Amino acid sequence: EDQVTQSPEALRLQEGESSSLNCSYTVSGLRGLFWYRQDPGKGPEFLFTLYSAGEEKEKERLKATLTKKESFLHITAPKPEDSATYLCAVGYGGATNKLIFGTGTLLAVQP
Amino acid sequence: DTAVSQTPKYLVTQMGNDKSIKCEQNLGHDTMYWYKQDSKKFLKIMFSYNNKELIINETVPNRFSPKSPDKAHLNLHINSLELGDSAVYFCASSRTSGVSTDTQYFGPGTRLTVL
Repeated sequence: EDQVTQSPEALRLQEGESSSLNCSYTVSGLRGLFWYRQDPGKGPEFLFTLYSAGEEKEKERLKATLTKKESFLHITAPKPEDSATYLCAVGYGGATNKLIFGTGTLLAVQP
Repeated sequence: DTAVSQTPKYLVTQMGNDKSIKCEQNLGHDTMYWYKQDSKKFLKIMFSYNNKELIINETVPNRFSPKSPDKAHLNLHINSLELGDSAVYFCASSRTSGVSTDTQYFGPGTRLTVL
């Protein structure tokens, strides 16, 4: 069954304490992997798109990496303003041509 | 400067009523989507339109009917609202209809509460 699983469900960090969020997927024919940030009461905000294993992208304190089975979102020296829910979505091909979202990781960064 | 906008932001209504949610994008994108986010934050696609043509129609009750008057607008009409329809509904758009490859940009959401 096509599935996207994010872990952990929730993560609490101290300001400056680096960590990683995981997105593992089981789909046939990955076409793209997307990371979004969602703040309470707002829509998902696009962060990164990764298309092939080995690809990496960075933006400020965030770095996304992709392997054949999973993606990591590394957060280096996080600040309280990085607190949000981080969503991973996987696009895959075939007849369905769909995008499946994971249930997210709720990140809280304490000062 | 809003890229994808939705109205209303909040919608509270009684069971059995009919309501509509409107979405507009000024990104010049060809494809628009409706998603439903449940209480567990799970986002699931409902519909997608490419240049006013329906291209994705997930297993959604017939009470939900999308309408796209032009490629910049996608509305969602819901008939005979039920308690289980309570959720946050997001509109999104992408440059092309490559659902699995093209980045989708989301609106701010409409929180629907059915009493």
